[in-house]
Amino acid sequence: AQSVTQLDSQVPVFEEAPVELRCNYSSSVSVYLFWYVQYPNQGLQLLLKYLSGSTLVKGINGFEAEFNKSQTSFHLRKPSVHISDTAEYFCAVSDPGNAGNMLTFGGGTRLMVKP
Amino acid sequence: NAGVTQTPKFQVLKTGQSMTLQCAQDMNHNSMYWYRQDPGMGLRLIYYSASEGTTDKGEVPNGYNVSRLNKREFSLRLESAAPSQTSVYFCASTRDRAMNTEAFFGQGTRLTVV
Repeated sequence: AQSVTQLDSQVPVFEEAPVELRCNYSSSVSVYLFWYVQYPNQGLQLLLKYLSGSTLVKGINGFEAEFNKSQTSFHLRKPSVHISDTAEYFCAVSDPGNAGNMLTFGGGTRLMVKP
Repeated sequence: NAGVTQTPKFQVLKTGQSMTLQCAQDMNHNSMYWYRQDPGMGLRLIYYSASEGTTDKGEVPNGYNVSRLNKREFSLRLESAAPSQTSVYFCASTRDRAMNTEAFFGQGTRLTVV
């Protein structure tokens, strides 16, 4: 079974600083990779996804992620964060070999942007 | 533009009580899911329904039952609530079972079992 590890449970950062949220997954077989964001008291919404092709994926709100197959990583980055980016971020993996389109989620990283 | 709607938003139950969490989507999606979210553990799949008329167990199904009432609605039932079921529950839907489709989530139900 797939597992997803988000290496940092919390990341504090000052406004306008760059940030990287790290994600590693367990399987080396072909997978689909996602980042979801959860703002306080809301459900999750898709930030970006990697299905195939270019390893650098751009998402909403200026976020991007890079797929690295050899390191089984899919780290999320933003060059300059804003207060409104304060949220919890979840990395998720979908294994085409799994029935039912089951997403396996990481434990989440809480991004705290300080003024 | 409702998307995925869950009710209730908050609930407190006593141990042994039962309740049903309701979920409805208005996007004509075929597949629906119930997840629970616990601190540090991300979201874990409880049950899913790949299409109307079918349901299957996910990673943590014990203590839960589901009903896919029609294409729009997918309910989650706790027959005898336990403190270990204190969690935030999310319903989600996808257009179909394809692995590359976006999942849309409801706003969650915060359940406390005392």
